[in-house]
Amino acid sequence: KNEVEQSPQNLTAQEGEFITINCSYSVGISALHWLQQHPGGGIVSLFMLSSGKKKHGRLIATINIQEKHSSLHITASHPRDSAVYICAVKTSGSRLTFGEGTQLTVNP
Amino acid sequence: GAVVSQHPSWVICKSGTSVKIECRSLDFQATTMFWYRQFPKQSLMLMATSNEGSKATYEQGVEKDKFLINHASLTLSTLTVTSAHPEDSSFYICSMAPEAFFGQGTRLTVV
Repeated sequence: KNEVEQSPQNLTAQEGEFITINCSYSVGISALHWLQQHPGGGIVSLFMLSSGKKKHGRLIATINIQEKHSSLHITASHPRDSAVYICAVKTSGSRLTFGEGTQLTVNP
Repeated sequence: GAVVSQHPSWVICKSGTSVKIECRSLDFQATTMFWYRQFPKQSLMLMATSNEGSKATYEQGVEKDKFLINHASLTLSTLTVTSAHPEDSSFYICSMAPEAFFGQGTRLTVV
C-alpha cells in the first residue's frame, strides 16, 4: 500500500463542473502539498497545508489531520484546468512523498 | 517569475555521451535541492538530495557514479548523466527545500 493514495486516478468533467480530488496518507506529516503538472511536465505548487483550509481563486484545498485526508476542489472548472494534480506530503526533514497523481480532463 | 530555473528543458543526446542539467534558484539561497526522475504516467521518484558544499545523498538503487550531482553554490545545483543509455531517457526535475518550488523539468532522450 502506498503511503499516499489519490483518487480518482482519472477524471473527466464538463466545463463548469465542480471537481474534487482526494488524497489519503498513512504517515505522520508536517505539511501537505497540492501540485499541478502541466502536459509539458512543469510542476507548480498550488497549496501547502498543515491544517484547515486554503482558497486561491477557483481552487480550494482542505486537510483533516486526524483523518489523514485532504481534498482539492475546483469550482467552475475550465479546460485550462486540465492537468495532472499531485498530492505530496512532507515527512522527515524536507522530503516529499508523492501520490500517483490524478489526470483531470475538462471538456468544453 | 520562476523561483527555480532549470535548463535545458529538453535534450537529445547519443548513447555514451554525458548530459548536464542545471537548476538555479533565482531569488533565494537553496541549501538543499532534490532531484527527481519521472517515467511516463508515473509519479516522481526521488533520485538524490543535494546539499550545498557537501556530497549528495542518493536513494537506494540510484548509481552515484552515473548521476553526478554538484551543489557548489547556494544558487546552483547540477545533475550530470554520464555515459547515457536509452534507458536513461526520462523526465528529470529539481525542487528546492523546504518549499515545493520546482524547476521546469528536463526531458532527456538518449538515442
